[in-house]
Amino acid sequence: AQTVTQSQPEMSVQEAETVTLSCTYDTSESDYYLFWYKQPPSRQMILVIRQEAYKQQNATENRFSVNFQKAAKSFSLKISDSQLGDAAMYFCAYRSGGGNNNAGNMLTFGGGTRLMVKP
Amino acid sequence: DTGVSQNPRHKITKRGQNVTFRCDPISEHNRLYWYRQTLGQGPEFLTYFQNEAQLEKSRLLSDRFSAERPKGSFSTLEIQRTEQGDSAMYLCASSRDRNSPLHFGNGTRLTVT
Repeated sequence: AQTVTQSQPEMSVQEAETVTLSCTYDTSESDYYLFWYKQPPSRQMILVIRQEAYKQQNATENRFSVNFQKAAKSFSLKISDSQLGDAAMYFCAYRSGGGNNNAGNMLTFGGGTRLMVKP
Repeated sequence: DTGVSQNPRHKITKRGQNVTFRCDPISEHNRLYWYRQTLGQGPEFLTYFQNEAQLEKSRLLSDRFSAERPKGSFSTLEIQRTEQGDSAMYLCASSRDRNSPLHFGNGTRLTVT
């Protein structure tokens, strides 16, 4: 079974600064996907960024980028120019790439990191 | 696209009672998922539907839990004989296909007293 570990329960960053959230995972599969989701207080979870394991290039979405180290099974999220609206719980998630077309895209989540942004 | 809708938002019940939650996915999404999230933890997968067929069930889904998606549109999750350990946020998500991202609802927060 796959496991996802987020070793930082809480992180804090000054507005406009950069912060990196850590994530490691354990799998024996070679084909998989990794995600970062954001869950603001009392609001729905939304996808921040996604990485396919077969791609060597790190994914980037505006101020959000990842550092994907496949051999080390590490998948960190970097938030640049942090904004007050970035304050939320951030979850790293794993999805297997195997299975047929009927297979679901079930996610295995880490325990989350609470990000606080200081004005 | 009105998003994934879940009702009720909050439910307080006494131990031993039955509860039912409803999820309305995004209309063109044929895949629907239920997750459970306890306080301070990440969501845990419960079950998955493709259209009306329930194709995956987690071992977390004990025999007191049952989920349905009768017409391949909305889904219900019922918990019978609730226990205090069932207190959690129950999240529903949907997706268009296997490679599309999951869209989550706001969840139903269950408190069992």
